[in-house]
Amino acid sequence: GESVGLHLPTLSVQEGDNSIINCAYSNSASDYFIWYKQESGKGPQFIIDIRSNMDKRQGQRVTVLLNKTVKHLSLQIAATQPGDSAVYFCAERKTDSWGKLQFGAGTQVVVTP
Amino acid sequence: EPEVTQTPSHQVTQMGQEVILRCVPISNHLYFYWYRQILGQKVEFLVSFYNNEISEKSEIFDDQFSVERPDGSNFTLKIRSTKLEDSAMYFCASSRDSGETQYFGPGTRLLVL
Repeated sequence: GESVGLHLPTLSVQEGDNSIINCAYSNSASDYFIWYKQESGKGPQFIIDIRSNMDKRQGQRVTVLLNKTVKHLSLQIAATQPGDSAVYFCAERKTDSWGKLQFGAGTQVVVTP
Repeated sequence: EPEVTQTPSHQVTQMGQEVILRCVPISNHLYFYWYRQILGQKVEFLVSFYNNEISEKSEIFDDQFSVERPDGSNFTLKIRSTKLEDSAMYFCASSRDSGETQYFGPGTRLLVL
């Protein structure tokens, strides 16, 4: 079926190292992809997004890569900090939707000192 | 920085009771959304709302659910007769356009006993 999912449920990374979080999607009709960060007890916080006409987009310490050939999305966090510990969700939006976001299952990132 | 706010932060209710969850979207946003997250699961889309009408809804959003924008600032989700399985975190989100970034509120934790 059509779904957005994550490869790794938990990622443990040492402070200062780079983190890579992966996401697979199956709906080729999606035109917009977003990464959200969710800390315990809080709402999803927007990190970065990318449209389907792009392969890469960079923000502050974060980079999103989109590979439409294999329907793969990744989030790279440079120099991971303790404040980066959270659950990270990828989400997709289909071209013909009124903004409905379909979320993946989430990856727990744990930053160790 | 403008943000989406939600009240109450926690709501406990008896099965069969009506609940109203409130949201104040970001002031210049025109599209409004409700999502829910059952404990430990992914975020699920419920409904999108634009120009005082529902523009899209999920299978979860059945006749027991309704949304309303009673004035120029509030956006509400009503559950007419709550069920145990309605227990979840409910998030409101808003965006300037259906294709723009959605910003989420902190959520209301609903517990149905």
